[in-house]
Amino acid sequence: EVVLTQSPGTLSLSPGERATLSCRASQSDSSSSVAWYQQKPGQAPRLLIYAASSRAIGIPDRFSGSGSGTDFTLTISRLEPEDFAVYYCQQYGSSPTFGQGTKVEIK
Amino acid sequence: QVRLQESGPRLVKPSETLSLTCTVSGGSINSYHWSWIRQPPGKGLEWIGHIYRSGSTNYNPSLKSRVTISVDTSKNQFSLKLSSVTAADTAVYYCAGGPSLVPIDFWGQGPLVTVSS
Repeated sequence: EVVLTQSPGTLSLSPGERATLSCRASQSDSSSSVAWYQQKPGQAPRLLIYAASSRAIGIPDRFSGSGSGTDFTLTISRLEPEDFAVYYCQQYGSSPTFGQGTKVEIK
Repeated sequence: QVRLQESGPRLVKPSETLSLTCTVSGGSINSYHWSWIRQPPGKGLEWIGHIYRSGSTNYNPSLKSRVTISVDTSKNQFSLKLSSVTAADTAVYYCAGGPSLVPIDFWGQGPLVTVSS
């Protein structure tokens, strides 16, 4: 079973700063890729990135994804007030588990 | 635009079976793959399982012995049954889906289901 580990658990930043979130898989296989979601309190998650680096429809270009194999990164180039939320990665494959999440909070 | 709406009891007694139904509108249930995901209060997302367009299923190994996911194409609905529940099964339960298993494009509202006597 592939386990996704996200780091850091919490990221304290100010609006306008750059956020870098990590998602590491415990092993790699032919289907290795991730999707990234944003979740705000009381809401369902929203898809941001799929196939590691493709932005979903309507997602601003300040959000970008990168990585391959076992290491993936979500970058928010300049934090807007509405970007403070929890972010999850989800692995592709037949057991699409999630990482434990990274909370981006206002410093 | 595809919309999902969960229905079912919000309070379930310990040892009983949790049953939720997700009604799909704005699209055909046969066109997508469907998942159930849960989130205990204050915690992260947990994949419960999914049903492919073909009708085959796959479940989280930690829940596999207690979970059944099925589809009713005549009603454009899919369902979750989780047996022998305990307080640890208290969570927000999301129905979800999309053209691919991942990523998930559509999410339901996610009702909180509480297990308590």
